[in-house]
Order: sequence, then structure tokens, then C-alpha cells
Amino acid sequence: AQSVTQLGSHVSVSEGALVLLRCNYSSSVPPYLFWYVQYPNQGLQLLLKYTSAATLVKGINGFEAEFKKSETSFHLTKPSAHMSDAAEYFCAYRRGFQKLVFGTGTRLLVSP
Amino acid sequence: EPEVTQTPSHQVTQMGQEVILRCVPISNHLYFYWYRQILGQKVEFLVSFYNNEISEKSEIFDDQFSVERPDGSNFTLKIRSTKLEDSAMYFCASSEALGGANVLTFGAGSRLTVL
Repeated sequence: AQSVTQLGSHVSVSEGALVLLRCNYSSSVPPYLFWYVQYPNQGLQLLLKYTSAATLVKGINGFEAEFKKSETSFHLTKPSAHMSDAAEYFCAYRRGFQKLVFGTGTRLLVSP
Repeated sequence: EPEVTQTPSHQVTQMGQEVILRCVPISNHLYFYWYRQILGQKVEFLVSFYNNEISEKSEIFDDQFSVERPDGSNFTLKIRSTKLEDSAMYFCASSEALGGANVLTFGAGSRLTVL
């Protein structure tokens, strides 16, 4: 089945360190890919999306993601973590007009 | 910025009771969705709705579930006879168009606890 896989249910970084959250997709045709963030007790907020216009996508709050077809990946990065980045991050996938399908999520923990 | 609003934010109910979760999508959006997230698990698709009809539903969305757009602004999810396993956070979302790069805007969720 077509899907996304997020490696690591929890990622811990220190404030100021690089954030790397991994997402791999399984599809024979490059899909539309999204990263959403869920802050505690809040809904899902779009960080960025891949639409094939550019492989490096910049999003809100300093996050970016690079689409790599050869690796079937769409990893989310941020050069320097901030305490306020602590949240759960979901990679999501869609093919054509099909429903949006979410990965299992990665909880980012940021320590001082 | 336009947002999707959901009520109630938290509902506690007894097993077997009917529950209605309400959502007000973004006003110019045409497509509406319900997703749910059982505690500690992934966000799962339940149903999509367009032009007063269900356009797609998952295997989770059985006969106990129904959706309705009773007026021009509200979109509701009804669970007829709740089970313990229905305890979850339910998210409503809306989008301008279907599929592709169209973005779903989500509400803050309604937490349902079935006792």
C-alpha cells in the first residue's frame, strides 16, 4: 500500500542543535507530500508541502524539507532548534485525488 | 487568518450514548473531512464530504458513524452508539479543492472520552 514512514517516534535535541525528522514514502509515482505540526492541545498546522515545483521547500518557523526521489525521502530539517519547536510532527502523503494519509508522527523534544 | 472551529473541545459520554461533534469549516471551502487520532496512535482518515455527499470513507467509518451538513456553515459527525474504542481526538478539516497539493486546514480537535 502507498504510505509514508516516519523513522523514530521520538527525537531529542538540544536547543540550538540541528533538527532532522525523517520521512520516507513508498510510491512508484512521486506523490504530494506535506509536513504538519501539532503543538500540545492544538490541532494540526501545515508547515510546508511538496508539489514538484521545487525539491527544496521552505516552510514556516524556519523549517525546510528536501524531496529526494532517489531516496524516496522528504526529511524535515531546521538548522537550530528552539524550545518552542517541541511538538509532534507528522509527514503526510497524497496521490492524485486520494485522501491525505498521515505517518505515525515524531515527537520532537528540545532540551535547554 | 481563517480557521476551522470545532465544538466541544472535550466530551465525556457513557458507552452506548449518541454523540455529535460539530465543526465550522472555512467559509469558502467546499470539501470537508473528519480524521481521528486514538491516543498515541497515528491520525486516521474517516470520511470526506462534498456537495452534500460522502465522497470517500474508510473502513473505520461504519454504520455507527454519519456526517451531515445541516446548514450552510456547520459540518457534523454523529456516532450513534459509542463504544470504548471510539475514545479519540476527532479532527475536522476543510479544503478549497480536492486532492493534489490542496491543503487541508484542521481544527483544534474534539476529544471524546467514552466510559
